[in-house]
Amino acid sequence: SQQGEEDPQALSIQEGENATMNCSYKTSINNLQWYRQNSGRGLVHLILIRSNEREKHSGRLRVTLDTSKKSSSLLITASRAADTASYFCAPAAYSGAGSYQLTFGKGTKLSVIP
Amino acid sequence: KAGVTQTPRYLIKTRGQQVTLSCSPISGHRSVSWYQQTPGQGLQFLFEYFSETQRNKGNFPGRFSGRQFSNSRSEMNVSTLELGDSALYLCASSLQPSGVRQETQYFGPGTRLLVL
Repeated sequence: SQQGEEDPQALSIQEGENATMNCSYKTSINNLQWYRQNSGRGLVHLILIRSNEREKHSGRLRVTLDTSKKSSSLLITASRAADTASYFCAPAAYSGAGSYQLTFGKGTKLSVIP
Repeated sequence: KAGVTQTPRYLIKTRGQQVTLSCSPISGHRSVSWYQQTPGQGLQFLFEYFSETQRNKGNFPGRFSGRQFSNSRSEMNVSTLELGDSALYLCASSLQPSGVRQETQYFGPGTRLLVL
């Protein structure tokens, strides 16, 4: 499967701490995206990192990509209670005929305790 | 700009019935993807439509089908419903097909389907 796999499945931290989530995938990718989902609702795009990039920042988010290890990590610094959500990585893997397809894993459920 | 809208938001059906879900993408977006989300399987790709043509299809039985209209609105249909079809069905739109030229997807709120 080309699906991204997030680790850990669940993470519980205190407000103000940093949260790190990891993602592994199996095939070569064009880019990798991270999304967030609040309980039972639609996903919201957070950040996209291209396959030729190693690190990217957006506000309190830092994403790294290691294509040699086929892995990525999402770091949320100085977490807030409002960051409580599920986080998904979505590698854009080659799906044939010159196109790429986003695939999602089961996500990491982050709980930030006030 | 209005976001992705999905109707209905909640639906209860019984086994054996069929259901049609609707998705209106963001204005100007031509690509619509559908996903099924369950606690056990996570977020699974159903299919993607671009300019009224199915571009990609996930590993789901033929009971799951979809289409896209000329205004980019999309519908998905599930026939002969089974208990295991209970899920949150998410629709996402993008300007270009997903994965191409670093396109991001914009998700709707989902339709929660319960099959009894």
